[in-house]
Amino acid sequence: GQQVMQIPQYQHVQEGEDFTTYCNSSTTLSNIQWYKQRPGGHPVFLIQLVKSGEVKKQKRLTFQFGEAKKNSSLHITATQTTDVGTYFCARKGGGKLIFGQGTELSVKP
Amino acid sequence: GAGVSQSPRYKVAKRGQDVALRCDPISGHVSLFWYQQALGQGPEFLTYFQNEAQLDKSGLPSDRFFAERPEGSVSTLKIQRTQQEDSAVYLCASNTGLSTDTQYFGPGTRLTVL
Repeated sequence: GQQVMQIPQYQHVQEGEDFTTYCNSSTTLSNIQWYKQRPGGHPVFLIQLVKSGEVKKQKRLTFQFGEAKKNSSLHITATQTTDVGTYFCARKGGGKLIFGQGTELSVKP
Repeated sequence: GAGVSQSPRYKVAKRGQDVALRCDPISGHVSLFWYQQALGQGPEFLTYFQNEAQLDKSGLPSDRFFAERPEGSVSTLKIQRTQQEDSAVYLCASNTGLSTDTQYFGPGTRLTVL
């Protein structure tokens, strides 16, 4: 299928450092969604991007959709221990979600 | 109900046993999805219902996997003759069916096949 590739797989940061995860596709995406999954938890929706070049912010989180709609990124400014978890991008196709492999973020206090 | 619920939360099965996993979607949600999440991986789509109709079952890995939603509400995912590679978290999600709506996930059922 048309996969979305996510990098890096793991990221370890010191509390207060910034964090970025990237999502890439070989084909043009109609939309991209981002989810957060805490350890032992389930995916929780964060945001959906649909427009070329779109940038959305949620407090310390900034989400971008590339101009060509083939990539997206999630940036967290000044990480906190509450940011720990795995961040997934996903594209919606035919109703279902196709997830990337996720980036696991650990934050050292 | 406040959200999607799933039962049991944990299931241990011996290889070859049959298991049934239940999902109660958010009341009134038309669409229901099942995903399989292996350790360290992203969720992978299994099947999708709109009301009682199973519109897409392309993700079911084999004919040992069967899902139903007979009354358009509760859904059951059944796995026959379980194998070790079936060990995973099985996530259920639901939404209103509108194309703009996000999916709301349940807590999942962690299946371990010994």
